[in-house]
Amino acid sequence: EDQVTQSPEALRLQEGESSSLNCSYTVSGLRGLFWYRQDPGKGPEFLFTLYSAGEEKEKERLKATLTKKESFLHITAPKPEDSATYLCAVQRPSGGYQKVTFGIGTKLQVIP
Amino acid sequence: IAGITQAPTSQILAAGRRMTLRCTQDMRHNAMYWYRQDLGLGLRLIHYSNTAGTTGKGEVPDGYSVSRANTDDFPLTLASAVPSQTSVYFCASSDDLGDTQYFGPGTRLTVL
Repeated sequence: EDQVTQSPEALRLQEGESSSLNCSYTVSGLRGLFWYRQDPGKGPEFLFTLYSAGEEKEKERLKATLTKKESFLHITAPKPEDSATYLCAVQRPSGGYQKVTFGIGTKLQVIP
Repeated sequence: IAGITQAPTSQILAAGRRMTLRCTQDMRHNAMYWYRQDLGLGLRLIHYSNTAGTTGKGEVPDGYSVSRANTDDFPLTLASAVPSQTSVYFCASSDDLGDTQYFGPGTRLTVL
């Protein structure tokens, strides 16, 4: 069964204090790994898709990396507006659709 | 701004009542999805549609039905609501199966 485990569940950082969020996964036939940002009361907002081990993608203060077992979302010099829940998801073919399994998320709080 | 709209934003519903959640996208995406998000469980797929005229079951389809009469609309119907269907429901779309999914703002449903 596909599994996605995100850690930590919650993270509190001072503004400017860099850190990383972890997403460990177990899936057979990974097609892609996604990172989303979700603000309270809103829908998930797409950040990155990674397809193969070694791949990296960046957007502003965020950088996502992928290995065969896990992905990291690195946050460099975070700002309070980076506070949100970050979701990781893995995708693989399954019958008539592409099955996407989501983690529960890491709730990030950045303190000014 | 192009994207996905959902209605209603929130709803309180008596058990046993019928309810349709609406989802409309203007990105001309072929694939559409319905998820529910519950605390501690993450997002779970209810139903999906590869293209207009076709639908399929996801992980948790019981008690829900969908239709896809055209490209833009993908309504989700609860035929006889039960308290366990209390959740936040998200509609999503992607250009094609396997592509990145983009989410709507969600509908918060409470069944009493």
